[in-house]
Amino acid sequence: KQEVTQIPAALSVPEGENLVLNCSFTDSAIYNLQWFRQDPGKGLTSLLLIQSSQREQTSGRLNASLDKSSGRSTLYIAASQPGDSATYLCAVNGGATNKLIFGTGTLLAVQP
Amino acid sequence: NAGVTQTPKFQVLKTGQSMTLQCAQDMNHEYMSWYRQDPGMGLRLIHYSVGAGITDQGEVPNGYNVSRSTTEDFPLRLLSAAPSQTSVYFCASSYLRGAEAFFGQGTRLTVV
Repeated sequence: KQEVTQIPAALSVPEGENLVLNCSFTDSAIYNLQWFRQDPGKGLTSLLLIQSSQREQTSGRLNASLDKSSGRSTLYIAASQPGDSATYLCAVNGGATNKLIFGTGTLLAVQP
Repeated sequence: NAGVTQTPKFQVLKTGQSMTLQCAQDMNHEYMSWYRQDPGMGLRLIHYSVGAGITDQGEVPNGYNVSRSTTEDFPLRLLSAAPSQTSVYFCASSYLRGAEAFFGQGTRLTVV
């Protein structure tokens, strides 16, 4: 059974710092991996989608990497801003039925 | 462009009552799904659909029913509400298997 873990559960950094969020999964037979952002009381906003054949994806200050063989993905945020404060979730897609298996998220606070 | 729309945003039910959570998408997506989000447990899949007329169970289907009569709509029915169904419910859709998933803003349900 696929399990997804995100460490740390919470992270506080000063504005301007570069940071890395981690996501690990137990079954490397994934179709893709998606990173989401969730603001308090809101829905999930898709940030980046990495297909199993890809190693990384970039969008603005965000860069996500994927290492299927080791069961790991990282989300790199450059030059963090207070507006980046949110919960970041990763989810793996096993493919056959398009189901997403989520981690429990990392709560990020960027201090001004 | 509305994306995925969920109604209502908030709902309080008494134990034993029934209700339907609505989900509609205007992106002509084939895949739709329902998740519930509980503290410390992440998002868990309730039911999903790979197209009109086709539905299947997810990880936590007990107490919920779904149907998919059109591509656009995927309602979730609570048959007899229980306090254990107090949660935040999210509807998601994607165009193809393995494509980027889009989420609604959620329905916060309290069962007393």
